[in-house]
Amino acid sequence: KNQVEQSPQSLIILEGKNCTLQCNYTVSPFSNLRWYKQDTGRGPVSLTIMTFSENTKSNGRYTATLDADTKQSSLHITASQLSDSASYICVVGPLGDMRFGAGTRLTVKP
Amino acid sequence: KAGVTQTPRYLIKTRGQQVTLSCSPISGHRSVSWYQQTPGQGLQFLFEYFSETQRNKGNFPGRFSGRQFSNSRSEMNVSTLELGDSALYLCASSLITGSDSPLHFGNGTRLTVT
Repeated sequence: KNQVEQSPQSLIILEGKNCTLQCNYTVSPFSNLRWYKQDTGRGPVSLTIMTFSENTKSNGRYTATLDADTKQSSLHITASQLSDSASYICVVGPLGDMRFGAGTRLTVKP
Repeated sequence: KAGVTQTPRYLIKTRGQQVTLSCSPISGHRSVSWYQQTPGQGLQFLFEYFSETQRNKGNFPGRFSGRQFSNSRSEMNVSTLELGDSALYLCASSLITGSDSPLHFGNGTRLTVT
């Protein structure tokens, strides 16, 4: 069983709308949680990195939250743009022992 | 600053052959890690090198190996290729090794084994 579960598997929204992606993990011990954006045919790009003590971290229109007690994280995208269409991957654990979620495929339509 | 460069971009090999992939990290970055990405398994960690030493290794067979040179450039080698090795191989670099180091990924090498 994957130790990092992401939902939904895919999502379609209209341009300008907000959306929230979920990541639940069972990885222990916890070191940090990362969100990446991966465009088709390209490598992942880091959006946020959160450690145990951080609840919220923002990067432009992307805001990640972390609840270490419930082992849940979310990535909120505000005022979506067509360029937000990509896969979003949640990663938990230190370099060398990273556990990857399967990703959420987001499509933003005009 | 130039990003992480991976070569070649695409590769087609036959079962049983071997292949070498190359990764040039961002200038000044000393940690290089490798990942395999497939539609079925998603992203999986292969290994990490820091200052020419392998620091961590994922759960892959010994056919997968790598090395890092004194200029931090890295290569990974896959011997006796199998059909299941078809994947996107990604390399990432970071300034230092450690749990909170941001990773910078290249755009990968797409390997197809026939």
